[in-house]
Amino acid sequence: KAGVTQTPRYLIKTRGQQVTLSCSPISGHRSVSWYQQTPGQGLQFLFEYFSETQRNKGNFPGRFSGRQFSNSRSEMNVSTLELGDSALYLCASSSEDRGLNEQFFGPGTRLTVL
Amino acid sequence: SQKIEQNSEALNIQEGKTATLTCNYTNYSPAYLQWYRQDPGRGPVFLLLIRENEKEKRKERLKVTFDTTLKQSLFHITASQPADSATYLCALGNQGGKLIFGQGTELSVKP
Repeated sequence: KAGVTQTPRYLIKTRGQQVTLSCSPISGHRSVSWYQQTPGQGLQFLFEYFSETQRNKGNFPGRFSGRQFSNSRSEMNVSTLELGDSALYLCASSSEDRGLNEQFFGPGTRLTVL
Repeated sequence: SQKIEQNSEALNIQEGKTATLTCNYTNYSPAYLQWYRQDPGRGPVFLLLIRENEKEKRKERLKVTFDTTLKQSLFHITASQPADSATYLCALGNQGGKLIFGQGTELSVKP
C-alpha cells in the first residue's frame, strides 16, 4: 500500500496570506488527523476527521480549519497567516480497524511565513 | 491541564548498551500509550502501543512498561545500535481518539 502523501512539501508565504495543505491517507483509512510541529511546542494536535466529519479538535484558533472529502482525502486551511504559524504540518491516517488508533504519518509540509 | 514530560535532554549511549527513555504524565487518565520514532525531516513512525491494563509489551529489541499508578511509561531499546539514533515520542490516547504527544527525547547511539 502507498503511504500517506502530503502536498506541497515546502511552502513559503507572507503574513496575512492564506494557505491550503493537502493530505491523501493510506487507502482504506477513514480517519485523518492533522498536527503542527514546532521546536518549542512539539507535536500539537489540530483536528481529526472521520468519514467527512470533524470528530476531535485541538486548541487552535479559528484561522485553522479543515475538511475531508468522500474519498477520505483531507485539506487543511490556515487564513491570515502569522509568523508563528511557521511549522511542520503533519497529517496522519488511521484505519481504526482494532481501535488502536495507530497513526501513519506523512512526510509533512514545511510552511515558512515571512 | 494535561501535561506529558519526556527526558528533556538528549540521551547519549554507547552501542550495545540499553537505552531507557521516560515518559511521565499528569492530569490525564489515558486508555493507552504509544511510542513513535522520528528521524530528521520525516514524520513519526509508530513503534508500540500499550493499554492501560497492560504492564509490559515487547517487540524485538524494544520493551515498554506502563505504570498507571506512577503515571509513567519507560521505553527500553536493548543492544542499541547507531541506527537507533532518532527522536522518540510518547503519545497518550483515550477512547475519544485524540492523541497528546510529548516533546520527544533525542537518542544518540555512538559506535
